[in-house]
Amino acid sequence: RKEVEQDPGPFNVPEGATVAFNCTYSNSASQSFFWYRQDCRKEPKLLMSVYSSGNEDGRFTAQLNRASQYISLLIRDSKLSDSATYLCVVSYQGGKLIFGQGTELSVKP
Amino acid sequence: GAVVSQHPSRVICKSGTSVKIECRSLDFQATTMFWYRQFPKQSLMLMATSNEGSKATYEQGVEKDKFLINHASLTLSTLTVTSAHPEDSSFYICSARGSSGAFFGQGTRLTVV
Repeated sequence: RKEVEQDPGPFNVPEGATVAFNCTYSNSASQSFFWYRQDCRKEPKLLMSVYSSGNEDGRFTAQLNRASQYISLLIRDSKLSDSATYLCVVSYQGGKLIFGQGTELSVKP
Repeated sequence: GAVVSQHPSRVICKSGTSVKIECRSLDFQATTMFWYRQFPKQSLMLMATSNEGSKATYEQGVEKDKFLINHASLTLSTLTVTSAHPEDSSFYICSARGSSGAFFGQGTRLTVV
């Protein structure tokens, strides 16, 4: 079983749609949680950190449920520029990051 | 914000040669850096943890004699792919942890022909 598992993609949605990504992790020693965005053939860029209390950044909302070892990302009012691969990432003490396989999002006009 | 610079961004080499990739933290000191590899349509896989002044820690299945890591200063880690073969062709990315999170280099696309 992979340490970090994500929804299989791709997600093809129209502009303006709301889309949700799910992620589960297997190691309860995980300390921090993130969503990264990766555009084709580029390095990953931090989208947002994820906290148990939930956090929101504009159109993006992230949630963490430590008991269920579950992380989610909600994107509202999708834009064409949101098209990318979204990576669920878990970190451990020392800064080691473990990546999920990524979920590809394609927002169409 | 913190910046990590990786060089070269793209390299094509002949099978059997060695390739060195550099990763620099430009405005912060990084005692630890991480090297990842990403094959097409797959996620980033951690290869090794580079520790300044000591030996790197390799993930299971990664050959330490093939992927040589040197972290000689607080701002520079290098990954050398020795005796490269076509199956080593991949996207290699380094990462360093600054005070406000993890930052990635731009990545190196290695093609072995």
